[in-house]
Amino acid sequence: ILNVEQSPQSLHVQEGDSTNFTCSFPSSNFYALHWYRWETAKSPEALFVMTLNGDEKKKGRISATLNTKEGYSYLYIKGSQPEDSATYLCATSPPTGNQFYFGTGTSLTVIP
Amino acid sequence: DVKVTQSSRYLVKRTGEKVFLECVQDMDHENMFWYRQDPGLGLRLIYFSYDVKMKEKGDIPEGYSVSREKKERFSLILESASTNQTSMYLCASSSSHDRTLYEQYFGPGTRLTVT
Repeated sequence: ILNVEQSPQSLHVQEGDSTNFTCSFPSSNFYALHWYRWETAKSPEALFVMTLNGDEKKKGRISATLNTKEGYSYLYIKGSQPEDSATYLCATSPPTGNQFYFGTGTSLTVIP
Repeated sequence: DVKVTQSSRYLVKRTGEKVFLECVQDMDHENMFWYRQDPGLGLRLIYFSYDVKMKEKGDIPEGYSVSREKKERFSLILESASTNQTSMYLCASSSSHDRTLYEQYFGPGTRLTVT
């Protein structure tokens, strides 16, 4: 079992605020880092997959960075909107096999 | 669009009942997974399958079994449901062919309550 940790566990921000959260993982036995958004009553939806140290990905107001040497990834949301309210999950995958190892998630609530 | 469907969104069962959770995917994916999600614990892998009739234990297989008779369908079986199996169950699938793109695609989840 790979120990993937996310912080904070939950977050409340005002609409328009920018925010970020962290995913930490063991830097050994690493192949890829995945971010998912999970809205209430919906399926978790893939946001980003990153494999290389220094990778940065962006989708609209959401972006993510990856540091494989120190074992962390940041997810940033610029100008949070109520529709960004969700649980954000990160997961790592090892070089072999198909198993993902998930963190416990960060629950984001954006207050209008 | 990849579609992963689960047979029920909500299920209430009694202790000792045999429970079947069904998952179907329409993308011809080789890999299928069953997770449970509990507050503060994240997604934990119960079982996965990388081919028809093949199965592998995940991190928490005790009290569960699985069946994969057809490529598109992966069933999770609770042989004798217990209250500590009350949880949200998520099914996922992925392709084996392109490792850089082998995202897991999730179903909407089944919230199971065992009373």
